[in-house]
Amino acid sequence: GENVEQHPSTLSVQEGDSAVIKCTYSDSASNYFPWYKQELGKGPQLIIDIRSNVGEKKDQRIAVTLNKTAKHFSLHITETQPEDSAVYFCAARETSYDKVIFGPGTSLSVIP
Amino acid sequence: DTGVSQNPRHKITKRGQNVTFRCDPISEHNRLYWYRQTLGQGPEFLTYFQNEAQLEKSRLLSDRFSAERPKGSFSTLEIQRTEQGDSAMYLCASSPDRGYDKNIQYFGAGTRLSVL
Repeated sequence: GENVEQHPSTLSVQEGDSAVIKCTYSDSASNYFPWYKQELGKGPQLIIDIRSNVGEKKDQRIAVTLNKTAKHFSLHITETQPEDSAVYFCAARETSYDKVIFGPGTSLSVIP
Repeated sequence: DTGVSQNPRHKITKRGQNVTFRCDPISEHNRLYWYRQTLGQGPEFLTYFQNEAQLEKSRLLSDRFSAERPKGSFSTLEIQRTEQGDSAMYLCASSPDRGYDKNIQYFGAGTRLSVL
């Protein structure tokens, strides 16, 4: 089955700087890669996603890149703000039954 | 309908007791998923429904766990004879099976279970 790894596990940045979170996946048949943000006491919230037929996608300060050959995908947050502080999860969807496998998460702290 | 709703938000129980959680998905979503999340980890897949049919169960889902979605709308997750290791956040998600949002999973706020 699919296995998703995520680095770093914790990340601290100054407000206004960029943050990058990297993930790898194992199943070359996976075709959908969502990113979720989870704040304390809340469920994960989808912030951006990318499908395997696209190399990059951007939404305001957030961008995601996908390298299918290397089975890598990354989240880039520019001009970070304190409200970006949360745990971020990358995920990959297995093609069987559309099951989504999550990475272990990155705790992002944006220091004002 | 503003999103996936889970009840209760918190449940404290004694070891050996049975507990049941409820999930109400977004109304037009045919697919419903249950996940378990322990502290510092990502959500782990437990089971998945397409309408009322339970299509897959994880090996994490022991015989003490059962999930139902009787009319293809809300779902319940029951844990029998709870153990301290069952303490976790139980998350529910739903997704449509067609359209641009196909298979995008929207999560509820979860039910936090504490087994004493």
